[in-house]
Amino acid sequence: DAKTTQPTSMDCAEGRAANLPCNHSTISGNEYVYWYRQIHSQGPQYIIHGLKNNETNEMASLIITEDRKSSTLILPHATLRDTAVYYCIVRVVEYGNKLVFGAGTILRVKS
Amino acid sequence: EAGVAQSPRYKIIEKRQSVAFWCNPISGHATLYWYQQILGQGPKLLIQFQNNGVVDDSQLPKDRFSAERLKGVDSTLKIQPAKLEDSAVYLCASSPIGLVNEQFFGPGTRLTVL
Repeated sequence: DAKTTQPTSMDCAEGRAANLPCNHSTISGNEYVYWYRQIHSQGPQYIIHGLKNNETNEMASLIITEDRKSSTLILPHATLRDTAVYYCIVRVVEYGNKLVFGAGTILRVKS
Repeated sequence: EAGVAQSPRYKIIEKRQSVAFWCNPISGHATLYWYQQILGQGPKLLIQFQNNGVVDDSQLPKDRFSAERLKGVDSTLKIQPAKLEDSAVYLCASSPIGLVNEQFFGPGTRLTVL
């Protein structure tokens, strides 16, 4: 699976959009981009995934560049409850469904 | 829909003792995972089951760790004997069969080895 690079930490003002970048320059054609987050003292929570088209759900939007070498997770109106570690994971879609977590980005939403 | 259940939530033991963790996945989920998360790091997969068969246990320290999933439903993870470096949160997750399906995680068991 391709490796991802994320900033160690980011701050965001409450009510503003949080834009979390992820670099995956060695991604291959059959690898999806997944985002999970982990709120303190909880297990990780799935947010969104995509292959090459931009995706949106009730939690967030995922913007993948045309060359697929990077992506951005957007939380449109961040709240204090969005403070968490956000993991960007690149995964080959094959039998086994394995996720390899890195260190992630600590997002702090401040009032 | 009930989530992934884990017990106990916290456990403190002395080194060289044994410990067991239990996980009950979401009903109908065929795939079950055990992860180890050391403080400050992302979760690391220890073992993955598909029904009651092992799909991947390449990162399970088999000299001290064991896991089983009898009847393809709930699962136990055991450490015997524990070492100081086993102090971590042990997370259980489950997912339905499928290539891109999301994994649902339980709250984890925090193990402290003294």
